[in-house]
Amino acid sequence: QQPVQSPQAVILREGEDAVINCSSSKALYSVHWYRQKHGEAPVFLMILLKGGEQKGHEKISASFNEKKQQSSLYLTASQLSYSGTYFCGTDRALNFGNEKLTFGTGTRLTIIP
Amino acid sequence: NAGVTQTPKFQVLKTGQSMTLQCAQDMNHEYMSWYRQDPGMGLRLIHYSVGAGITDQGEVPNGYNVSRSTTEDFPLRLLSAAPSQTSVYFCASSRTGTGGQAFFGQGTRLTVV
Repeated sequence: QQPVQSPQAVILREGEDAVINCSSSKALYSVHWYRQKHGEAPVFLMILLKGGEQKGHEKISASFNEKKQQSSLYLTASQLSYSGTYFCGTDRALNFGNEKLTFGTGTRLTIIP
Repeated sequence: NAGVTQTPKFQVLKTGQSMTLQCAQDMNHEYMSWYRQDPGMGLRLIHYSVGAGITDQGEVPNGYNVSRSTTEDFPLRLLSAAPSQTSVYFCASSRTGTGGQAFFGQGTRLTVV
């Protein structure tokens, strides 16, 4: 039931691009993306709802393919501040809050100068 | 603006002891959740609440109790601590309606010896 994220870890040089994938075996209503820096709390990046829309947050964007039950997070021209572990959280129903998210195991992203 | 406040930040317990992890939010959010984070496992949902007086179980509820007597507070009780409960615990809150982000507390690192 836990979504599968790939890759598990990636190392990039500053300015390079990365794609992080999140895949579920169950139908999804929404996908949430969070970033967590070491020793800190997860921080919300964006939410994608059923409908296949793509969203953006500065140089970070994401897509959601509901038919394939997959979401991808795109980081372009990566910056040192992008380092951290990225989690996708999925929701299978139209819940009115975010209280029942199921999170993936995370993708550790390391940006080097 | 404090957001979500968790106490304590660190705790060491002996096997069999009980304790309560505190969580308070000042954003008037209706929805609150408790997650545990273990290496390689991501965030797993323990219990959640959709409002004062209403709680429900998540993915890994065994060994934990919750109550929600006020909108602001959502304490997590460990009934009889076991080494398997060694983890980092995060409390999160969110507002009504889809599209709302979850705000996480800074976490409680619990070690059971």
